Amino acid sequence: GESVGLHLPTLSVQEGDNSIINCAYSNSASDYFIWYKQESGKGPQFIIDIRSNMDKRQGQRVTVLLNKTVKHLSLQIAATQPGDSAVYFCAEKFLQAGGTSYGKLTFGQGTILTVHP
Amino acid sequence: DAGVTQSPTHLIKTRGQQVTLRCSPISGHKSVSWYQQVLGQGPQFIFQYYEKEERGRGNFPDRFSARQFPNYSSELNVNALLLGDSALYLCASSPRFGLAGGKVTDTQYFGPGTRLTVL
Repeated sequence: GESVGLHLPTLSVQEGDNSIINCAYSNSASDYFIWYKQESGKGPQFIIDIRSNMDKRQGQRVTVLLNKTVKHLSLQIAATQPGDSAVYFCAEKFLQAGGTSYGKLTFGQGTILTVHP
Repeated sequence: DAGVTQSPTHLIKTRGQQVTLRCSPISGHKSVSWYQQVLGQGPQFIFQYYEKEERGRGNFPDRFSARQFPNYSSELNVNALLLGDSALYLCASSPRFGLAGGKVTDTQYFGPGTRLTVL
């Protein structure tokens, strides 16, 4: 079936740098995208989401960009800190037939972000 | 307010045994979803329950079953355990079920997971 994938499995940055984590999706029917952060031994933590009718959304130190033309999603983290070190997942949700969308999220493999002091 | 809680934290079973995992959603949330996360991969959808009814099922065998109680808590049961069932089992809650008309459904908030090891 269709799935969400990530371009880079690992990313190493210096503290204070900006980080960009990329994600490719293949389901053109996807209408909602979410970024999660998962630290070792913990469950995924919601970071930011974006609907398919938007191309950019900003949060605190994070920005998500959506390019539906090339089916690409990215997460930008400004002034990356050591506490940002984790695995980052993008996930998608798409409408089912009939217009309803139940709770299935399709996750990518994840990108490991390592921030060096 | 407390987040999603899951129990137990860790569990060790042997092949062929049965296991029950428990989840309490965020207060006020009526929907619970279950995911399996194998080491090194993203979570895979197993079930979603809303108002005590199954609303979605992923590609998992019938050995996996779940239910939701009147207080919206949920249990995931796995029978005849296999080595490959070893994983982190995650529960996620959201306020509502999917909305018709193309509207976006609610964000899912995850619990800490139950680490199941099958020997």
